[in-house]
Amino acid sequence: AQKVTQAQTEISVVEKEDVTLDCVYETRDTTYYLFWYKQPPSGELVFLIRRNSFDEQNEISGRYSWNFQKSTSSFNFTITASQVVDSAVYFCALSSWQGAQKLVFGQGTRLTINP
Amino acid sequence: EAQVTQNPRYLITVTGKKLTVTCSQNMNHEYMSWYRQDPGLGLRQIYYSMNVEVTDKGDVPEGYKVSRKEKRNFPLILESPSPNQTSLYFCASSLSSGRRTDTQYFGPGTRLTVL
Repeated sequence: AQKVTQAQTEISVVEKEDVTLDCVYETRDTTYYLFWYKQPPSGELVFLIRRNSFDEQNEISGRYSWNFQKSTSSFNFTITASQVVDSAVYFCALSSWQGAQKLVFGQGTRLTINP
Repeated sequence: EAQVTQNPRYLITVTGKKLTVTCSQNMNHEYMSWYRQDPGLGLRQIYYSMNVEVTDKGDVPEGYKVSRKEKRNFPLILESPSPNQTSLYFCASSLSSGRRTDTQYFGPGTRLTVL
């Protein structure tokens, strides 16, 4: 069975600090996808990134970066120089390579950036 | 604008009164899915559809029905709602199904309260 664990339920930092959100996953599949979604206070789910299991290259997009380590089954998300607008609930999710495409979500991490 | 729409956005109803939450996408996506979000549990898949007239159960299908008569629409039906179906519901769609996993894009959510 697939499982995603986001051990950090809530994180609170002061603006401009760097913050890392942890994601650990379990799967028996040899190929799979990992995702991060953002849920701002308005409630919608915003797609941030998708990563293939065979591509362990880290990715950077502006202030956002993702560190995928297959050896530790982790896909961590770092926000550099955080801003108040980054305040949201962040979800990590896992999906098989093909087939039912069910997204298995972690419990989410509520990130609060204080001014 | 490419989007997934859901209606209604908010609904308060009473136990046993049948209701339908509509979902529509304008991206010609093959795959559509319903999730529910509950505190501490993340999102869990209710039903999914790989294409027109093809639907299947997700992890928490009890008490729900779906249909996929047209590619763009995927309504969620609660024949006899109960208070434990009070939740935030999301519809999602992705381009392809079966051959590979594509990114799922989510609607704005429907907050349902069953009294």
